[in-house]
Amino acid sequence: NAGVTQTPKFQVLKTGQSMTLQCAQDMNHNSMYWYRQDPGMGLRLIYYSASEGTTDKGEVPNGYNVSRLNKREFSLRLESAAPSQTSVYFCAGERGDNSEKLFFGSGTQLSVL
Amino acid sequence: DAKTTQPPSMDCAEGRAANLPCNHSTISGNEYVYWYRQIHSQGPQYIIHGLKNNETNEMASLIITEDRKSSTLILPHATLRDTAVYYCIVRVAQGGSEKLVFGKGTKLTVNP
Repeated sequence: NAGVTQTPKFQVLKTGQSMTLQCAQDMNHNSMYWYRQDPGMGLRLIYYSASEGTTDKGEVPNGYNVSRLNKREFSLRLESAAPSQTSVYFCAGERGDNSEKLFFGSGTQLSVL
Repeated sequence: DAKTTQPPSMDCAEGRAANLPCNHSTISGNEYVYWYRQIHSQGPQYIIHGLKNNETNEMASLIITEDRKSSTLILPHATLRDTAVYYCIVRVAQGGSEKLVFGKGTKLTVNP
């Protein structure tokens, strides 16, 4: 039981490159989330998925796309990376019940040069 | 925008109780109050949550005022490992889905 697993842990991109951040959970979570965290800031929600096959925008969705192809996996794609997307990205999952709690992955540190 | 207000930083002596306040004056009747913490650059960790009754678990106690407009997280015997950013969150409902919106939290420093 690995919980919420994010890959990669570190990534360096050049401006304009694309990449996909992977997130997988084995906790039977219905809802999954992608957050970003900039230095000295709290977490800001990028996208979330309340259930398999559905996705919704969060606070800062511009420049990102997501895919929830199955219950376990929720990926975040940067089509054309920009320096402003340098951040630490966290994936989280929860069962979706109002009284439930989020479990977070260990984060992906992304630098865009 | 986050629906909560927290002090940006607090200090506490090791072994003493740490009391972290949170204002959520616009909370609605079916919204829960959640507390998470983030140690250094790790992913946030769930601590406790409640609706209107006080709650206690192995990590902390949560005291919610009768009008539910504010709450206090209590770490009864703070240790150096409790140094972290603590987030108070009220659930936000949108389009039938639930999501958690984090603010900037309170940076708690436990001093020896």
